[in-house]
Amino acid sequence: GENVEQHPSTLSVQEGDSAVIKCTYSDSASNYFPWYKQELGKRPQLIIDIRSNVGEKKDQRIAVTLNKTAKHFSLHITETQPEDSAVYFCAAPRGGTSYGKLTFGQGTILTVHP
Amino acid sequence: DAGVTQSPTHLIKTRGQQVTLRCSPKSGHDTVSWYQQALGQGPQFIFQYYEEEERQRGNFPDRFSGHQFPNYSSELNVNALLLGDSALYLCASSLANGYEQYFGPGTRLTVT
Repeated sequence: GENVEQHPSTLSVQEGDSAVIKCTYSDSASNYFPWYKQELGKRPQLIIDIRSNVGEKKDQRIAVTLNKTAKHFSLHITETQPEDSAVYFCAAPRGGTSYGKLTFGQGTILTVHP
Repeated sequence: DAGVTQSPTHLIKTRGQQVTLRCSPKSGHDTVSWYQQALGQGPQFIFQYYEEEERQRGNFPDRFSGHQFPNYSSELNVNALLLGDSALYLCASSLANGYEQYFGPGTRLTVT
């Protein structure tokens, strides 16, 4: 099965700075990599995802990059705002290409200080 | 557009009891996956239902079982509850051959 490692476990930045969270995965057959944001007491919310045929994807202030050779992918948040404070999870498909069955990283607690 | 819904929101049970949690998928979705999220951890995959069948299962004992109904809604049943079953139980809906999963608000289960 897939193994996903996520770093750092906590990240503290000043408002306006950039934040980067990295994940590595074990199964070279994995082809889909989502990122979820979970605010305290709320559901995980899909914020961005990337397929293995793409190296980078952007959506306003967030971007995800994928390095298939090294088997890692990263979430980049620019111009951070206090409302970006949350727990962020990366994920990869269990068993490589399995639809909708995800293995999650341990999460990163992001705190953006005003 | 109706999102994923779950009931109940919170539940308190005693060790040894049985519990049933319910999920209705996002409109247009036909596949439901269940996850367990312990405090401070990422969600862990329990199983997935498609066409009323369990399609794949994670590393959870047989005490965890499920069902999917013709309208695509799903139930998660846990028998012989243990203290360690206390967690947030999330369901996620998707299309059968789709990658994107959307989570419901979860059911917070406390076992005392």
